[in-house]
Amino acid sequence: NAGVTQTPKFRVLKTGQSMTLLCAQDMNHEYMYWYRQDPGMGLRLIHYSVGEGTTAKGEVPDGYNVSRLKKQNFLLGLESAAPSQTSVYFCASSSRVSGGQETQYFGPGTRLLVL
Amino acid sequence: GQQVMQIPQYQHVQEGEDFTTYCNSSTTLSNIQWYKQRPGGHPVFLIQLVKSGEVKKQKRLTFQFGEAKKNSSLHITATQTTDVGTYFCAANAGNNRKLIWGLGTSLAVNP
Repeated sequence: NAGVTQTPKFRVLKTGQSMTLLCAQDMNHEYMYWYRQDPGMGLRLIHYSVGEGTTAKGEVPDGYNVSRLKKQNFLLGLESAAPSQTSVYFCASSSRVSGGQETQYFGPGTRLLVL
Repeated sequence: GQQVMQIPQYQHVQEGEDFTTYCNSSTTLSNIQWYKQRPGGHPVFLIQLVKSGEVKKQKRLTFQFGEAKKNSSLHITATQTTDVGTYFCAANAGNNRKLIWGLGTSLAVNP
């Protein structure tokens, strides 16, 4: 089991460029999440998905779009990158557990620098 | 919106000293989870607490959930350099899939 994988690991963009971050999980998890992590800000939820074909906004969704066409993949898109989107992006997945409590498994992260 | 406050933000200890980080909420939590993130790494799940007053131990780590389910703590006995990293608490306040994350406590250990 690879767990949660993310590509790319590192990327440099110019302002206005677009890119897609790919997250894949092989644990058959229903739920997937995209976070960004900035110094002193902890983990902030961008978008999440509770199942194939469904997505929902998190805490900081502006400037990002997501898609979950397949259960194992969750894509995060930046249509027009801005320097404020320089961050480390983490994808996570979790399974449905009775009682509504589950743990999240994180990917290794994507470090994005927007110039 | 709901927040989870975590203190302290930073802690610097000598190897062998104890360390404690606290997580507090103004509302009752369904459960609380603790994660560890090593420098340059990703958060890794440590433990989950569900019951009021629950105490769980993992070797030198002791986790507690308050009686009112509004606070939690992580205590490390006799820290080692391998304990270096940022410890996050994350809480689930209701029947939803989102976790509310604390800002983390960064632990540095002097050998």
